[in-house]
Amino acid sequence: DSGVTQTPKHLITATGQRVTLRCSPRSGDLSVYWYQQSLDQGLQFLIQYYNGEERAKGNILERFSAQQFPDLHSELNLSSLELGDSALYFCASSDGPGQGGNQPQHFGDGTRLSIL
Amino acid sequence: DAKTTQPNSMESNEEEPVHLPCNHSTISGTDYIHWYRQLPSQGPEYVIHGLTSNVNNRMASLAIAEDRKSSTLILHRATLRDAAVYYCILRDPMEYGNKLVFGAGTILRVKS
Repeated sequence: DSGVTQTPKHLITATGQRVTLRCSPRSGDLSVYWYQQSLDQGLQFLIQYYNGEERAKGNILERFSAQQFPDLHSELNLSSLELGDSALYFCASSDGPGQGGNQPQHFGDGTRLSIL
Repeated sequence: DAKTTQPNSMESNEEEPVHLPCNHSTISGTDYIHWYRQLPSQGPEYVIHGLTSNVNNRMASLAIAEDRKSSTLILHRATLRDAAVYYCILRDPMEYGNKLVFGAGTILRVKS
């Protein structure tokens, strides 16, 4: 058990809809990361928040947005969903901002999003 | 991001050691070498990381070549539970933020 909790585990919705994925980091961790894993693209970094502020951004679509709340949990919002957004979405956390290159990340078990 | 190259797949027998190689010929002098693994139906799991010296923890050992252009993850006694995709990732300490760039990794199959 990594200590990172993601809800829901599965989500099925239709094209054009909007969903919110939730992540609770490990106790004491200030950074939260979001990754997308699809069959054709592999694991891709989307975005990092550190203590409520955006820290780093990957190839996150404009239809996607995230935030980190004062209690350090994070939400990833996906809107105007397309078939290609079907994927596993992972959240990870680490204790610091990641500067220094030697901070491990601890991953949750993901949310499987299926777009019909 | 500096690139890593790993074999697509490897096979091992249960209770035997496994050596998973990673080439990173363009590594910079300050890049850390990280290993993660992903078991079926789970999120990635941190395994180990190192900079120059060999590293050991309860999960594995990391052997780093003297010129740092390659490294090897060593599982001392493979179990069926070690069957996973193993990712070798370089982390630049100067980079703002802490993104992990995953490649295709090595699929490790463990035979009983």
